[in-house]
Amino acid sequence: AAGVIQSPRHLMKEKRETATLKCYPIPRHDTVYWYQQGPGQDPQFLISFYEKMQSDKGSIPDRFSAQQFSDYHSELNMSSLELGDSALYFCASSFGGNQPQHFGDGTRLSIL
Amino acid sequence: GIQVEQSPPDLILQEGANSTLRCNFSDSVNNLQWFHQNPWGQLINLFYIPSGTKQNGRLSATTVATERYSLLYISSSQTTDSGVYFCAVVLANFGNEKLTFGTGTRLTIIP
Repeated sequence: AAGVIQSPRHLMKEKRETATLKCYPIPRHDTVYWYQQGPGQDPQFLISFYEKMQSDKGSIPDRFSAQQFSDYHSELNMSSLELGDSALYFCASSFGGNQPQHFGDGTRLSIL
Repeated sequence: GIQVEQSPPDLILQEGANSTLRCNFSDSVNNLQWFHQNPWGQLINLFYIPSGTKQNGRLSATTVATERYSLLYISSSQTTDSGVYFCAVVLANFGNEKLTFGTGTRLTIIP
């Protein structure tokens, strides 16, 4: 069965650079979520989209923005990167709300 | 916001042993999922279980929504079961769909 695809799997950037993370949800899933997991921590919700519209927002820094495109893939854009942004970033998708969320393998972002 | 507590925080067992992991949550939920995060960081979906009991091989889970807790049972542990187990819930609020994760239980299975 098709799963959530995230790219790239690993990304190394320097402070103050920008990064773009991509997510391709499971076909027919209409809701996409982004989570951030710092070292030794549990995943924290960043933002979600339902049918290409932002549906919920968590503790996402103003330096981050995200959108969902007409083909339902989503991108998380991160600017002015800081050392504290080093984390594992997960994308998840579901078919509607209150349905199980299926996670991608994550993008490991390292800020040097 | 909703509080999600998992116990124990750490668990070390011999291969072949059984274990029970607990998840307590502070409010009514619409969704509860159990995940296994393996050493490579992947979050593996184990169960979607807002209520009731489910079984999948050596793993089973029970959620008692009225008492706000869930249990994950692992029988005949194998070294590949090592990793962090997370419980995550969605608060029962209209329009709320985000998962709130517990702090996890780190399971180490010794050969």
